[in-house]
Amino acid sequence: GQNIDQPTEMTATEGAIVQINCTYQTSGFNGLFWYQQHAGEAPTFLSYNVLDGLEEKGRFSSFLSRSKGYSYLLLKELQMKDSASYLCARMSGGYNKLIFGAGTRLAVHP
Amino acid sequence: SAVISQKPSRDICQRGTSLTIQCQVDSQVTMMFWYRQQPGQSLTLIATANQGSEATYESGFVIDKFPISRPNLTFSTLTVSNMSPEDSSIYLCSVDQTSLKTQYFGPGTRLLVL
Repeated sequence: GQNIDQPTEMTATEGAIVQINCTYQTSGFNGLFWYQQHAGEAPTFLSYNVLDGLEEKGRFSSFLSRSKGYSYLLLKELQMKDSASYLCARMSGGYNKLIFGAGTRLAVHP
Repeated sequence: SAVISQKPSRDICQRGTSLTIQCQVDSQVTMMFWYRQQPGQSLTLIATANQGSEATYESGFVIDKFPISRPNLTFSTLTVSNMSPEDSSIYLCSVDQTSLKTQYFGPGTRLLVL
């Protein structure tokens, strides 16, 4: 949606590392969010990046390059419970509204 | 973090009727947002609800179909008017807490229109 691109599906093995990429339109950019959403549940906040670089939070890290319009979410030591959709969202406009990508469905298998 | 509740959590409605969804936050927030998530899809912003002024609607959404109220800094309602089966969706409210660098979502209202 609205020039935010992320892969549709990914699979990974329990205990491994997976990187989910997101590219976005840079005009009017105010920040980049990542959310996790399990089936039938509301999105849960994971991370927010507004400056370039890597933000680490436990097993999850998020990276931003504003000049390239690029972000990624890095999940380490994958667990079965990490199977979910991961939504990339760009904040824009004076009201800080979020524009979401289509989401990446991650399947973690043993 | 803000605690957000929505009522009803789910409903089944007949076409042509209207449903009002409530969103309550446990703290005062400036910005509240209403999103729709259709089956198998990502979230789409419907409108931004500002206290004391009319809501700001996104392209493709109009006030006659989705009237919004924001009477104070902790509460908002979204009405889905003259419903059709295409309105079957999850409707979510969210609040912006820029000081905490995040936006939180309510649990959502699952609507099925027959």
